[in-house]
Amino acid sequence: ILNVEQSPQSLHVQEGDSTNFTCSFPSSNFYALHWYRWETAKSPEALFVMTLNGDEKKKGRISATLNTKEGYSYLYIKGSQPEDSATYLCAFGSNAGKSTFGDGTTLTVKP
Amino acid sequence: GAGVSQSPSNKVTEKGKDVELRCDPISGHTALYWYRQSLGQGLEFLIYFQGNSAPDKSGLPSDRFSAERTGGSVSTLTIQRTQQEDSAVYLCASSSTSGLEQFFGPGTRLTVL
Repeated sequence: ILNVEQSPQSLHVQEGDSTNFTCSFPSSNFYALHWYRWETAKSPEALFVMTLNGDEKKKGRISATLNTKEGYSYLYIKGSQPEDSATYLCAFGSNAGKSTFGDGTTLTVKP
Repeated sequence: GAGVSQSPSNKVTEKGKDVELRCDPISGHTALYWYRQSLGQGLEFLIYFQGNSAPDKSGLPSDRFSAERTGGSVSTLTIQRTQQEDSAVYLCASSSTSGLEQFFGPGTRLTVL
């Protein structure tokens, strides 16, 4: 059983705060690590896919880093806005089979 | 089609009835996943297909749940003798290969009365 863990489970911040979440995953059979954004009443949408140790991705105020040797990825949001409120999921893609999702971090940004 | 499609978008059924949910993945995608989201819960994995075979059925909650995939394309999730606890949004996703980015459909909202 693959263990993909995300922390914290939930996070409440004020508008303008910067924040970060963690995803930990197995360090063996690594193929790719994905971050998804899941808004209420919508389907998850991909934010980033990272495949190489040391990868860093950036999209606007959101960025992510990857450490495959120690099995973790960080997602950062700079200057959080209310529209950033969502559940952020990471998924571990194994070269041995299917992708496995973590339980997500639910972010609430208060105006 | 351009994306993953699911039908129906909404289904209301009576307890004890059987239901079928359909997923049309992105053309050429070999991997297909079924998930569900119960009220207030996260993403719950149900079953994964690679081609027409299902190497991982570990998430199916009971033997009332089954799924098949034909022609490496369309998949059907069948729930027999539905119970109220089956009420949820059922999401389907596909990816070009097993470990790559998943593209999600809009989901089917199932309500069991």
